[in-house]
Amino acid sequence: NAGVTQTPKFRVLKTGQSMTLLCAQDMNHEYMYWYRQDPGMGLRLIHYSVGEGTTAKGEVPDGYNVSRLKKQNFLLGLESAAPSQTSVYFCASTAPGPEETQYFGPGTRLLVL
Amino acid sequence: GNSVTQMEGPVTLSEEAFLTINCTYTATGYPSLFWYVQYPGEGLQLLLKATKADDKGSNKGFEATYRKETTSFHLEKGSVQVSDSAVYFCALSDRAGGSYIPTFGRGTSLIVHP
Repeated sequence: NAGVTQTPKFRVLKTGQSMTLLCAQDMNHEYMYWYRQDPGMGLRLIHYSVGEGTTAKGEVPDGYNVSRLKKQNFLLGLESAAPSQTSVYFCASTAPGPEETQYFGPGTRLLVL
Repeated sequence: GNSVTQMEGPVTLSEEAFLTINCTYTATGYPSLFWYVQYPGEGLQLLLKATKADDKGSNKGFEATYRKETTSFHLEKGSVQVSDSAVYFCALSDRAGGSYIPTFGRGTSLIVHP
């Protein structure tokens, strides 16, 4: 049971390049989330999904797209990276029902030059 | 809407000192409350939680009590260790109120010196 995994762990991009961050969970969780963490800003929700095939915008969705084609995977895409997207990205998942604990991945550190 | 306010850090303590990190919340429903811990270079992980008023969550010597009358969930530990140095996040989840989105505080950095 690996929990929540994220790929890659670290990436450097040039402005304008695109990339996809992959999040995978093996806990059969319905809900999945993408956050970014910046110094002094805490966690900010980018997008989330409440089930396979569904996605919704969070607090800071601009410049990002997501897809949830399979229940266990949640992809975060940057179509044209900007230096302002330099951050640490965390994926999380949680089960429906009364269990509301979020399970986090180890993070992806992204640097946009 | 929901919100979580926690004390700003960093909190700097000597080993074996008593720790309190304050957390207050506002919520429209009856949320569950959480403390998450983030060690350097890692993701957040659950430290403890409480799901209803007057519940006490505890783990690894840390504890917090859900106080509905003061809308608080302060984190305490009687004797901190260097290994407790981390960032601590207070959070609430209001699934019963129909929200799928948890609310996090901004985090409090704890630094424990030998």
